[in-house]
Amino acid sequence: GENVEQHPSTLSVQEGDSAVIKCTYSDSASNYFPWYKQELGKRPQLIIDIRSNVGEKKDQRIAVTLNKTAKHFSLHITETQPEDSAVYFCAASIGDDKIIFGKGTRLHILP
Amino acid sequence: DGGITQSPKYLFRKEGQNVTLSCEQNLNHDAMYWYRQDPGQGLRLIYYSQIVNDFQKGDIAEGYSVSREKKESFPLTVTSAQKNPTAFYLCASTATGASLQYFGPGTRLTVT
Repeated sequence: GENVEQHPSTLSVQEGDSAVIKCTYSDSASNYFPWYKQELGKRPQLIIDIRSNVGEKKDQRIAVTLNKTAKHFSLHITETQPEDSAVYFCAASIGDDKIIFGKGTRLHILP
Repeated sequence: DGGITQSPKYLFRKEGQNVTLSCEQNLNHDAMYWYRQDPGQGLRLIYYSQIVNDFQKGDIAEGYSVSREKKESFPLTVTSAQKNPTAFYLCASTATGASLQYFGPGTRLTVT
């Protein structure tokens, strides 16, 4: 079946450095790729999303890149801050009515 | 105040009992979803509904049931047939299908 693989499962970076999380997807028809941030005990919140007709999207310190040929997309966080510590999920659309999530990356920002 | 709500926040049940989790939205969204979250497993889709009176099984529907009698409401019943029901349950809604999903605050169910 369709799946989304996400790496790494845990990532520690020094405050101020950049963090990169990578995902691959299996369904070549996927056309919507959101990224969610989830703080401990809270609901996931969308931080950025991209559609398949765009290769890159940026919002302040956060950017997402998409390579449709290789079926992978990445989240880039620059100038990391303590409040960036959380679990991040990538996802990909399956058909027109649902999305499938990766297993998450726990990001630790070290002081 | 628009949004998606779930109740209760914490729920405790004895093994063998059915339990129903509430999910309500006033965003006028057509589609609603139930996910289960376990540590290290991400979000796994249980059931989803695109329109009233219609719903589809997700990847882990066994031991769960849903109804969609109203556009605003999509309750999830965890039955005694669910072998490992203790988990964090998240409800979400979207305006149309595979697009931006808005999540509720979640219900943490503990079955002992």
